[in-house]
Amino acid sequence: GDKVKQSPSALSLQEGTNSALRCNFSIAATTVQWFLQNPRGSLINLFYLVPGTKENGRLKSAFDSKESYSTLHIRDAQLEDSGTYFCAADSNTNKVVFGTGTRLQVLP
Amino acid sequence: SVLLYQKPNRDICQSGTSLKIQCVADSQVVSMFWYQQFQEQSLMLMATANEGSEATYESGFTKDKFPISRPNLTFSTLTVNNARPGDSSIYFCSSNGQGSAEVFFGKGTRLTVV
Repeated sequence: GDKVKQSPSALSLQEGTNSALRCNFSIAATTVQWFLQNPRGSLINLFYLVPGTKENGRLKSAFDSKESYSTLHIRDAQLEDSGTYFCAADSNTNKVVFGTGTRLQVLP
Repeated sequence: SVLLYQKPNRDICQSGTSLKIQCVADSQVVSMFWYQQFQEQSLMLMATANEGSEATYESGFTKDKFPISRPNLTFSTLTVNNARPGDSSIYFCSSNGQGSAEVFFGKGTRLTVV
């Protein structure tokens, strides 16, 4: 089964609203990354986390290694936030395992 | 961080032919990786490109089908041999640079096999 499972798989948001994406791990993740894949296919690094939280503008992410999950909160969603969000976990193997992805559409 | 440059950005090739994808890092990096992404799916790790030695392949990927070279610490190539329509996907190179586990990606090569 999927070692890194994301929820929801797809999401539509009205511009200006907030949402949270979640990533659950069945591997012993030591670090987590969040990426946004834009409609052109490029992967944009959003966060790199050891256990704890980070914030950057309208985005905030948390990683709890004991409970094996990570979250990405989007505040005041904008049209340019649309795309597919991936979390990816490393369990000290130097190999990053990608999650199943959340496809986000922000509506005007 | 590390910047990774891939070329070509996209290509269309005939079934049965081979295509080579290049990846250049803007600094020397220990680890380089290749990923495959089918449309509307997640990224799958194909192999780790090892400098001066054979690549290490993940389950489902072989060196005969996807030979990888890594002649130095800034460069790697991925070849798709005997391309089939089922190989149509985006191929990404990635690296975690020096002294960090954070992984960065090239912009990807979108391959269509007809």
